[in-house]
Amino acid sequence: GESVGLHLPTLSVQEGDNSIINCAYSNSASDYFIWYKQESGKGPQFIIDIRSNMDKRQGQRVTVLLNKTVKHLSLQIAATQPGDSAVYFCAEAGAGFQKLVFGTGTRLLVSP
Amino acid sequence: DSGVTQTPKHLITATGQRVTLRCSPRSGDLSVYWYQQSLDQGLQFLIQYYNGEERAKGNILERFSAQQFPDLHSELNLSSLELGDSALYFCASSVAGEKDTQYFGPGTRLTVL
Repeated sequence: GESVGLHLPTLSVQEGDNSIINCAYSNSASDYFIWYKQESGKGPQFIIDIRSNMDKRQGQRVTVLLNKTVKHLSLQIAATQPGDSAVYFCAEAGAGFQKLVFGTGTRLLVSP
Repeated sequence: DSGVTQTPKHLITATGQRVTLRCSPRSGDLSVYWYQQSLDQGLQFLIQYYNGEERAKGNILERFSAQQFPDLHSELNLSSLELGDSALYFCASSVAGEKDTQYFGPGTRLTVL
């Protein structure tokens, strides 16, 4: 079945470092990808999205890269801060409607 | 704060019971989505409504049903509850239904004893 593969590792970084969180997706028909951040006890919070006709998109301190050839998505966070500590999910959507398929998440721990 | 509200925040009930979870979308959003988040299944899409009509179905059990009312709020009904239904249930909303950003509510934590 379709899946967004994101094994749940924990990424530990120091404050001020750049963080890179990776995600592999399996559905080559997916054309919309999103990164969400989920803090403990809260709902997923939209960070940034990218459509399949792009390979890079930048936001405030975040960059998403999409490599459709190898079906890989990454989230780069610049100058990581303790407030960035959370679980990060990638999600994909195919054509037609917005059923989001979520990966399993990566926990980011930022130490001061 | 995403602008999506969900009630109740916590719900504790017994097996076999029925509960109703409520969601109010962001002002102006026509689409509502329901997701279940459990430890072993992650975030799973359940169902989507757009302007009162069912638009898409995911991994929703027959014991579960949902509806979206004329004022666009939505309810998720869970019946004949089982221990395995214990999870976080999230509602999300978007402006329309085609590739619009989904904004999530704070969730309802359901515990079935």
